[in-house]
Amino acid sequence: AQSVAQPEDQVNVAEGNPLTVKCTYSVSGNPYLFWYVQYPNRGLQFLLKYITGDNLVKGSYGFEAEFNKSQTSFHLKKPSALVSDSALYFCAVRARGNNNDMRFGAGTRLTVKP
Amino acid sequence: DADVTQTPRNRITKTGKRIMLECSQTKGHDRMYWYRQDPGLGLRLIYYSFDVKDINKGEISDGYSVSRQAQAKFSLSLESAIPNQTALYFCATSVNTAPYEQYFGPGTRLTVT
Repeated sequence: AQSVAQPEDQVNVAEGNPLTVKCTYSVSGNPYLFWYVQYPNRGLQFLLKYITGDNLVKGSYGFEAEFNKSQTSFHLKKPSALVSDSALYFCAVRARGNNNDMRFGAGTRLTVKP
Repeated sequence: DADVTQTPRNRITKTGKRIMLECSQTKGHDRMYWYRQDPGLGLRLIYYSFDVKDINKGEISDGYSVSRQAQAKFSLSLESAIPNQTALYFCATSVNTAPYEQYFGPGTRLTVT
């Protein structure tokens, strides 16, 4: 069975500071990993994905994520946070194979203060 | 989001009523999904469909049914709504090739009183 844990319900950072949103996963074999962002009254928007290769994945809006196989983690990062980054962030994992479904974490609310 | 549309966007209904939520997509994807979102629980999969003739239960399918009327349309029904089905419901589609990233509609906020 596959699962995702986002250990922090809430992350607060000051504008201009680096941010990290944590994610750990459990899956059989090598995973596909994803980050999505949800703004108020909107659906989830795809940010980035890890398939294979480089452990550092770059995505939309200056976000990146680091895949660490030994720690089964896929933390989302940004070097300099913006107030407009404030939103709900979801990590998701999918096992390889045609018929597997995607599992989402519970979400982390990021608040960036001016 | 405009590629995946959901109707209605908001709905209030009474316990015991039947309700249908509709999803349409113009992305040309074969795969479609229904999720519900509850605070602190993230998204949980209700049903998914890999093509018009393929319907599969997700982790929380009890109390729900679906219909895949066409490649572009996937509807979710609550046969007899109950208050604990109050939630935000999302439809999603995905590409047919790995890693199958998903694209979401704007959501339907359903309240069952």
